[in-house]
Amino acid sequence: AQSVSQHNHHVILSEAASLELGCNYSYGGTVNLFWYVQYPGQHLQLLLKYFSGDPLVKGIKGFEAEFIKSKFSFNLRKPSVQWSDTAEYFCAVNSGGSNYKLTFGKGTLLTVNP
Amino acid sequence: EADIYQTPRYLVIGTGKKITLECSQTMGHDKMYWYQQDPGMELHLIHYSYGVNSTEKGDLSSESTVSRIRTEHFPLTLESARPSHTSQYLCASGQRGTKNIQYFGAGTRLSVL
Repeated sequence: AQSVSQHNHHVILSEAASLELGCNYSYGGTVNLFWYVQYPGQHLQLLLKYFSGDPLVKGIKGFEAEFIKSKFSFNLRKPSVQWSDTAEYFCAVNSGGSNYKLTFGKGTLLTVNP
Repeated sequence: EADIYQTPRYLVIGTGKKITLECSQTMGHDKMYWYQQDPGMELHLIHYSYGVNSTEKGDLSSESTVSRIRTEHFPLTLESARPSHTSQYLCASGQRGTKNIQYFGAGTRLSVL
């Protein structure tokens, strides 16, 4: 069964610091990769996705992620975080053979101090 | 972006009560899902549906049941709530052929006393 690991449970940064959140998955075949964000009191929102092509994908609000197939990784990055980026971030993977299943990581809580 | 609505947002109920968590989406999506999420844990799929009259159990065993009589509506029912059912329940929907992009509701936080 596929699994998703997010290495950091809680990350605390100051505004303007750079961010990188790790995500590794276990499935060896074709995958579709997602990052979702959940702001306090709000629903999960799609931040960005990777299906194929350029392994560097850009999402909303200045976030980007890089797919490194050899490392089974899909790390999320942002050059300069803002207080409004405080949220929980979830990595999710859909293996190519599955029509329905998204496997989620446990999430990383990001706190950005002003 | 899908509009997907869950009610109630919060529910505190006593043991043994029957409850139904409502989920509706307005985008005509074929696929709908229920997840269970506990603090600091990943989302666990408990039910999903490919369309009307289609329901399947997910990876996490759940005593809840679901129905899909209309495309837009996917309610989840617990016949007899127990404290172990205390959790957050998230509903999601997605359209066939979109590589499993899912859109989420705001969730129902259930507490069973």
